[in-house]
Amino acid sequence: TQLLEQSPQFLSIQEGENLTVYCNSSSVFSSLQWYRQEPGEGPVLLVTVVTGGEVKKLKRLTFQFGDARKDSSLHITAAQPGDTGLYLCAGDFTGANNLFFGTGTRLTVIP
Amino acid sequence: DAGVTQSPTHLIKTRGQQVTLRCSPKSGHDTVSWYQQALGQGPQFIFQYYEEEERQRGNFPDRFSGHQFPNYSSELNVNALLLGDSALYLCASSHLLTLQETQYFGPGTRLLVL
Repeated sequence: TQLLEQSPQFLSIQEGENLTVYCNSSSVFSSLQWYRQEPGEGPVLLVTVVTGGEVKKLKRLTFQFGDARKDSSLHITAAQPGDTGLYLCAGDFTGANNLFFGTGTRLTVIP
Repeated sequence: DAGVTQSPTHLIKTRGQQVTLRCSPKSGHDTVSWYQQALGQGPQFIFQYYEEEERQRGNFPDRFSGHQFPNYSSELNVNALLLGDSALYLCASSHLLTLQETQYFGPGTRLLVL
């Protein structure tokens, strides 16, 4: 069974601080996606990474895909209260587009 | 362009009952995947439908079954409900021909089993 570990599980920071969330697996991903989920809603896609070593930026969010395609990180610069939510990484190991999700990182940004 | 829609939004059932959840995919998508998300957990893959057939299945018992219709919409059925089936059920759609096509999620159906 593929296992996706996310760390930290919970993160509470002050507005303006930087943070990094990690997603690790012992298996190789054919692609990896990062989602953000609000309470009671479905996950909303932030980014998809496919190529080992790839870096993608989305405003204050920077996503990195490990060279071996087994790990990924999400870095948020100057966090804002609107960044509060559950951040999920999801890996596609089979190339068949059924996703295995990590348990998520619940981020709280305090004004 | 409508995104993924799910119905109902909330549902309360008792143990032993049966439930049917519905999903309409995003326009242009032909593949529907269902996920179960327990409280405080990440979503877990239940199964995926394409061309009205179950294409992939996760580690869920036969009590969980599904169907896809010619218009690509889908249903998830759960028989003999257990308390542990209480969860947010998410539907995601994608386009199979592009296997790395992004999955778009619906808002989910919150099921409570008493």
